[in-house]
Amino acid sequence: AQSVTQLGSHVSVSEGALVLLRCNYSSSVPPYLFWYVQYPNQGLQLLLKYTSAATLVKGINGFEAEFKKSETSFHLTKPSAHMSDAAEYFCAVTRMNTGFQKLVFGTGTRLLVSP
Amino acid sequence: GAGVSQSPRYKVAKRGQDVALRCDPISGHVSLFWYQQALGQGPEFLTYFQNEAQLDKSGLPSDRFFAERPEGSVSTLKIQRTQQEDSAVYLCASSLARLKQGTDTQYFGPGTRLTVL
Repeated sequence: AQSVTQLGSHVSVSEGALVLLRCNYSSSVPPYLFWYVQYPNQGLQLLLKYTSAATLVKGINGFEAEFKKSETSFHLTKPSAHMSDAAEYFCAVTRMNTGFQKLVFGTGTRLLVSP
Repeated sequence: GAGVSQSPRYKVAKRGQDVALRCDPISGHVSLFWYQQALGQGPEFLTYFQNEAQLDKSGLPSDRFFAERPEGSVSTLKIQRTQQEDSAVYLCASSLARLKQGTDTQYFGPGTRLTVL
């Protein structure tokens, strides 16, 4: 079975500070990993995805994540937070099932950005 | 281009009522997923369609939940005799995937917030 664990339901940073959102995965086979962002009253938007091509993945809005097999981690980072980054962030892993890829999500981390 | 759309955006139902939630996927997308997101939680898989075929419904919580996609485009999630525990946001996603492409991006709609009183 595959799953992800997001450490910290809330993360607070100041504008301009480093953003670090943690995600650890559990998988018996090489996983595909995703980060999605959800703004209030909106659907989920893909930030980036790891598909085994490169361990350091760059996404939209200046975010990136590094796949570390030894640590079973896929943490999301951004060098400098903007106010507009305030949102809910979800880590997800795919689980093979009947030939398609359903996403298994973590519980989410709410990013708060203060001026 | 147009993204995934869902209607209604908000639905309030009295316990015991039936509801129908609609999803319009991106044109040409073969795969369609429904997820349920309870308050403060991540989305959880409900069911999956490839064109009109419902290939997996293992996530549907009870036989009160029913989904269909009769022409391989628009999908409807129906909940019969709604209960308070059905209150959640119901998200629809679509992807272009035709094969076992684990890397294929799922595009999500804005969701329908269902509140059962």
